[in-house]
Amino acid sequence: KNQVEQSPQSLIILEGKNCTLQCNYTVSPFSNLRWYKQDTGRGPVSLTIMTFSENTKSNGRYTATLDADTKQSSLHITASQLSDSASYICVVSARDGGATNKLIFGTGTLLAVQP
Amino acid sequence: GAGVSQSPRYKVAKRGQDVALRCDPISGHVSLFWYQQALGQGPEFLTYFQNEAQLDKSGLPSDRFFAERPEGSVSTLKIQRTQQEDSAVYLCASSFLPREGKSTDTQYFGPGTRLTVL
Repeated sequence: KNQVEQSPQSLIILEGKNCTLQCNYTVSPFSNLRWYKQDTGRGPVSLTIMTFSENTKSNGRYTATLDADTKQSSLHITASQLSDSASYICVVSARDGGATNKLIFGTGTLLAVQP
Repeated sequence: GAGVSQSPRYKVAKRGQDVALRCDPISGHVSLFWYQQALGQGPEFLTYFQNEAQLDKSGLPSDRFFAERPEGSVSTLKIQRTQQEDSAVYLCASSFLPREGKSTDTQYFGPGTRLTVL
């Protein structure tokens, strides 16, 4: 069964600190991996997307890594800000027949940045 | 331009009532997706439209759930005889290409409709 697991479930850090969120997946055949940020009461917003051949992708203070061999990804947030408080969802796209964009969502890591 | 919009943002229904949730995708987007997100969980796929054609409804949990996109733009998700387990946030997303197209095509999400069934 295709699954995406994330850790930790929740995390509290102080403003200005760095943090790393983890994602493990068992999705086959793999198409790509995305990290989404979901603010409370909002829909998810795409942060990064990586295909099989990419092992790192940055978007401002967000840096995602992908190890397709071990089926692991991480999202590193540098110099955290209060506005980074949100749920971060790892999403793996599977090839399903003709569909190349069938998304499988993790349960998310809830990040709280405190002043 | 405008993003994906959904209405209503909040809906409270008594058990057994029918509800209709609306999604206005980004203009020109071919693909439209509906997801169900339970509290503290990630979204789960419900159904997919390519223009007006519903090509995948494998995620719909029961025959009480029905979705349509008659003119290939606005979509409605209808839930008949609502049950308490239907309480969730219902997210709509759209993307420019068909799902069988470029795999890195981004899905843009609406804010969701929070359904509470009493």
